[in-house]
Amino acid sequence: QVHLVQSGAEVKKPGASVKVSCKASGYTFTSYGISWVRQAPGQGLECMGWISGYNGNTNYAQRFQGRVTMTTDTSTNTAYMELRSLRSDDTAVYYCARFLSGTYLLDYYYYMDVWGKGTTVTVSS
Amino acid sequence: QSVLTQPPSASGTPGQRVSISCSGSSSNIGSNYVYWYQQLPGTAPKLLIYINDQRPSGVPDRFSGSKSGTSASLAISGLRSEDEADYYCAAWDDSLTGRYVFGTGTKVTVL
Repeated sequence: QVHLVQSGAEVKKPGASVKVSCKASGYTFTSYGISWVRQAPGQGLECMGWISGYNGNTNYAQRFQGRVTMTTDTSTNTAYMELRSLRSDDTAVYYCARFLSGTYLLDYYYYMDVWGKGTTVTVSS
Repeated sequence: QSVLTQPPSASGTPGQRVSISCSGSSSNIGSNYVYWYQQLPGTAPKLLIYINDQRPSGVPDRFSGSKSGTSASLAISGLRSEDEADYYCAAWDDSLTGRYVFGTGTKVTVL
């Protein structure tokens, strides 16, 4: 059974950094990517980007470029997301999700099929 | 901020059929596949529909997805109390690098 287990809640001050982990089990880690999606309190979902479990290639959403780094450790099947220069509006639940991409009928597909339970990050002075 | 627009709410009584729309543009829904996610209260999202109309194993056939032009729809037939949740559409958007966009979300209430 596929599982993604995320690290615990974090409280950070503005300007600090946070690093969230996501440990995968139940599948071949290098065959899939890991995406990171966040949800501010009472708000919708926002995709921050993803990382290939195969070669570590990343694809960051433009608004997070320069502030986010996604990495993987294939020896422990763990993905990490580090967000720097935290602001109060970075307060959110951060989810990791297994990410699938490829082609179907000549078009590309991208979606997340299994999600972690989320990590609450609170940014407050 | 989202480029995919959904109605904020929808409702129905048990057994009814509820439909949720997702409106986009030529750079997202018009040229890419659509996905739907269900988020039960206080839980992580769950994949409901992929590649426009495909259901992952374990998702009841009461849920169906469709796409036409720059819009998509999720239909829930035989509405049940456990379907009360937030529903999000999603699609790749060709206009910006690395942009996988979610819809604004629709809260479904079972009356």
